[in-house]
Order: sequence, then C-alpha cells, then structure tokens
Amino acid sequence: EAGVVQSPRYKIIEKKQPVAFWCNPISGHNTLYWYRQNLGQGPELLIRYENEEAVDDSQLPKDRFSAERLKGVDSTLKIQPAELGDSAVYLCASSLARNGYTFGSGTRLTVV
Amino acid sequence: AQSVSQHNHHVILSEAASLELGCNYSYGGTVNLFWYVQYPGQHLQLLLKYFSGDPLVKGIKGFEAEFIKSKFSFNLRKPSVQWSDTAEYFCAVNCLSGNTGKLIFGQGTTLQVKP
Repeated sequence: EAGVVQSPRYKIIEKKQPVAFWCNPISGHNTLYWYRQNLGQGPELLIRYENEEAVDDSQLPKDRFSAERLKGVDSTLKIQPAELGDSAVYLCASSLARNGYTFGSGTRLTVV
Repeated sequence: AQSVSQHNHHVILSEAASLELGCNYSYGGTVNLFWYVQYPGQHLQLLLKYFSGDPLVKGIKGFEAEFIKSKFSFNLRKPSVQWSDTAEYFCAVNCLSGNTGKLIFGQGTTLQVKP
C-alpha cells in the first residue's frame, strides 16, 4: 500500500512569494490533516478535513494560508504571501476513523 | 486546553542502557495514545498505540509503553537501546470527545545513543 505522498520535499522561496504544497493521502482514508512542525517542536494541526469538508481550521492563519481538498482526495495547502516565520516542515497525514494516522514525509519550507 | 508534556528534551545514553521517556497529558476524558519516532531525515513513524485494554502495550523494535490513567501518563520504555534508536520521539494524544479527531503532540525528545 502506498503511503501518504507529499510534494515537493523541499522548497526555498523568498519572502512575500506564494508557495503551495500537495498531498495525496492513502486510498480510502476519509480524514486528512495538515500539520506544521517548527524546528525542535512537535507537529501542530493547521486544518483537518473529513472528506472534502474542512471540519477544524481554527489553527489556520486564514489571512495568508488556504487549503482545499477537491473531491475528498488530494489536498493543497497554500501560503500567500510567505513570511520568514513560515519556515517549517509541513506534514500531511491521513486516517480512516481516528485510529490510525499515517504521515507523509513532509515538505521542508525555507523562506529567505 | 488539552496538552501533552514530554519531560526530557534531550537524552544521551550508551548502547545497552535502558530507556524511559516520560509523557503526561492534560485531559480528563477518554484518550487514544501514541508514540511516534522520527529518524534523521525521515518521516514520522508509529512506534505503538494504546486504545483500550491492557495498559502495557508493545510496539515495534522492542519498545513498550504503559498507560497509567491515574497519573495521566504514557511513558515509553526500552530495556536496551541501540545506536540505531537515535532519533526524535513524540508522544501524541487523541482526545475522544466531540468531533476533534486531531492528534496533540508533545514537543519531542531527542535521543542520542552513543556506540
């Protein structure tokens, strides 16, 4: 079974530029999560989808961050414009019910 | 708000030493508990999980963890560590109330095993 696939693995952009991350969850997993992991910290939830509906986006900085999950499968997380403080690893995870969470390899974003 | 606390930020051990990493959470209701490991340059991998039943759970690579409900703890143990256990370890909690469904992570513990 293929795992959670994320791309790109690494991204370096200048501040004020836009950036997008893509996630393909495990087939059949209806719940998709985007987490942000700052250096030396544990991951923190940005947004959770149940199928195509965003059911928890309370931690998403909505002034610059947006996400979508078309057709309840793949998801895209966008930052526009990026700030220096957005440098982090962005993790995607998926689960079927709340029992098993599988994480992708993440996208390491560096904003310069 | 629910939170997870890992007591040790950085642990250094020699090979064959015993390991115990502390994890406490703040939530009075029912929880699912997890330990994840992140090897250098790799993604988070599940070590073990507790949902219900026997509070002593065994995971991969010889790791185990004990859920002590009265102490709100879920400490990770391994009797004899190896150099290959060098990694970052995260405790995580899923609070089973309402419709949260999200994992709350501790800040992580970096384990360095000296050969």
